[in-house]
Amino acid sequence: AQKITQTQPGMFVQEKEAVTLDCTYDTSDPSYGLFWYKQPSSGEMIFLIYQGSYDQQNATEGRYSLNFQKARKSANLVISASQLGDSAMYFCAMREQRSQGNLIFGKGTKLSVKP
Amino acid sequence: GAGVSQSPSNKVTEKGKDVELRCDPISGHTALYWYRQSLGQGLEFLIYFQGNSAPDKSGLPSDRFSAERTGGSVSTLTIQRTQQEDSAVYLCASSLLSGGYNEQFFGPGTRLTVL
Repeated sequence: AQKITQTQPGMFVQEKEAVTLDCTYDTSDPSYGLFWYKQPSSGEMIFLIYQGSYDQQNATEGRYSLNFQKARKSANLVISASQLGDSAMYFCAMREQRSQGNLIFGKGTKLSVKP
Repeated sequence: GAGVSQSPSNKVTEKGKDVELRCDPISGHTALYWYRQSLGQGLEFLIYFQGNSAPDKSGLPSDRFSAERTGGSVSTLTIQRTQQEDSAVYLCASSLLSGGYNEQFFGPGTRLTVL
């Protein structure tokens, strides 16, 4: 079974609008962390935001926020005020406590920002 | 300071040949990870090092794949008798420690093409 599911292969958003990228996860480990990475066409992986399973508040980092709904096992990324430079692949990833460190990635969502 | 570096950036080889991919992590980072990204896919975990030991080799796809890390620093991923399905981008990441919230910093990757 997929541990990280990103159901949107591609998304379009108008510049300056907000967009939500979906991510659901599956784990029986009570302790885990959720990450979002951005991968522009140049290929590098850029860390955006992190949410721990015991964090009480949703993580925020500038224009990025994570809508963490633990009971639903979802960790959606919200990008506010989209910019042309936000066009990229976005990957949701999970680290389980028992794994000792490796990240499990979803298949990604390609976001295109329209001027 | 310097980020994670990988060499070569591109490697084209013939089926059946051996290849070595190198990763230089960020100085002082004890944890090192290898991932593989096939075209249009998410990242697939291969192997993880804590210091020079590899407590988790579960992601290596076959016994043609091996990796080592020396001096708690540089790591080499070796693929023997390469096959066309090995064609992918191989990404290395390092983090200060393993587990929990320890951001993984990614290198630019090595694009391997097996003809």
